[in-house]
Amino acid sequence: SQKIEQNSEALNIQEGKTATLTCNYTNYSPAYLQWYRQDPGRGPVFLLLIRENEKEKRKERLKVTFDTTLKQSLFHITASQPADSATYLCADRGSTLGRLYFGRGTQLTVWP
Amino acid sequence: EPEVTQTPSHQVTQMGQEVILRCVPISNHLYFYWYRQILGQKVEFLVSFYNNEISEKSEIFDDQFSVERPDGSNFTLKIRSTKLEDSAMYFCASSDTENTGELFFGEGSRLTVL
Repeated sequence: SQKIEQNSEALNIQEGKTATLTCNYTNYSPAYLQWYRQDPGRGPVFLLLIRENEKEKRKERLKVTFDTTLKQSLFHITASQPADSATYLCADRGSTLGRLYFGRGTQLTVWP
Repeated sequence: EPEVTQTPSHQVTQMGQEVILRCVPISNHLYFYWYRQILGQKVEFLVSFYNNEISEKSEIFDDQFSVERPDGSNFTLKIRSTKLEDSAMYFCASSDTENTGELFFGEGSRLTVL
């Protein structure tokens, strides 16, 4: 099975700065990685997906990169805002349909 | 915007009791899932369901668990004899494609087993 590691449990940054979150995988190279946002007591919300053959994907202030050499995906939030404060989860689909392997998540706090 | 809805939002039960958690997936979705998250831990896959049968289940999904799609809209998770360690947030999710696997999650049902 896949193992997804998000090494940083918490990240605190000042409003306006860029937040960078790390996701590493340890077994096979995923066909794609997904990033979700989870607010306390709520379900994960899909943000972005990046495929193995894509280096970078953008959506508004969000950017995801995928480096198969480093076995790593980076998730960036530019011009961060307090409303971006949440836990961000990295997930790999694995080899079968719909089964996502989630990392523990990184709790981001953006302070004014 | 279409959403996955779950009921109840919170259920407290005694150990050994049966619990049914209900979900209404997004209407045109074909793939349905249950995940759970024990407090402070990862979101974990339980089971996937497609075409009225289980596609895959995890090692967590043992004989005390079952899923059903009793009609065209509901998707249920039954826990036959709850244990203390079943206390968790249970998330239902659905998707319209099997390929990319982007999942739409409900807000969850918090189960507390006493």
